[in-house]
Amino acid sequence: DAKTTQPTSMDCAEGRAANLPCNHSTISGNEYVYWYRQIHSQGPQYIIHGLKNNETNEMASLIITEDRKSSTLILPHATLRDTAVYYCIVRAYTGNQFYFGTGTSLTVIP
Amino acid sequence: GAVVSQHPSWVICKSGTSVKIECRSLDFQATTMFWYRQFPKQSLMLMATSNEGSKATYEQGVEKDKFLINHASLTLSTLTVTSAHPEDSSFYICSARGWGFAGLQETQYFGPGTRLLVL
Repeated sequence: DAKTTQPTSMDCAEGRAANLPCNHSTISGNEYVYWYRQIHSQGPQYIIHGLKNNETNEMASLIITEDRKSSTLILPHATLRDTAVYYCIVRAYTGNQFYFGTGTSLTVIP
Repeated sequence: GAVVSQHPSWVICKSGTSVKIECRSLDFQATTMFWYRQFPKQSLMLMATSNEGSKATYEQGVEKDKFLINHASLTLSTLTVTSAHPEDSSFYICSARGWGFAGLQETQYFGPGTRLLVL
C-alpha cells in the first residue's frame, strides 16, 4: 500500500537542479523516506534515504520537512542520464517490504 | 558493493512450460529477498518476500502454486513460473537486503530484471 503522493511527471533543463517533491502526510515516527529511480527497462536504483535530518550523498540531496509530512529529492545538476521514473517510498526501519507508488517520470531536456 | 544479479535477462517460452529465474547477491549475504512484477507503463508490484531457509510469504492475489519461490542459500533465490501463460508475460525483478557492510540492512538493492515473454 503506497503511502506517498508524487507528481506524475516533471521536466528539467540539463545542468539545472531537479527538485522532485513527495508527500507522505501519514508517515509514522519510525518510518524512513527512501528514494529510488528506474531507468527504462532496468531494475530500480537506490538513491538515498533519511529519517528526519537532511541527507546528502554523491547522487542527490534529500530534504525532509520538519513535520516529516513531505520531502524533496534534489539532483543538483541534472544530466540526460537522470531521465527516469523516481519513486518515493516510506518504510519502517525494521520493516521489510517496499510498496511502490506510481512515481514521477522526470525528463531532462537538452 | 551491494550488487544483485538476475539470470536470464530475458526469456521466451511456450505456453504451458515452466520458467526459472535466478536472483543472486554477489557481494553480500541476502537474508531477505523480494520478487516484484512490472507490467508495461505500470509500477512495480510486490509478489512475495522470502527469508533464507523459510517459506516465502506471498502478497494477496499472488498464486503461490504458480509462482514458486526458493531461497535456499544466503546468496540465491529462485522464482519458478509454472505452467506459464501469455498473461504471465512481464518484467520480473528481484531485490535483496542483508548483511555485508554498513547500511545494507536498511535498504534493498535490486537486480536488473528478467523480461519474460510467453507465446
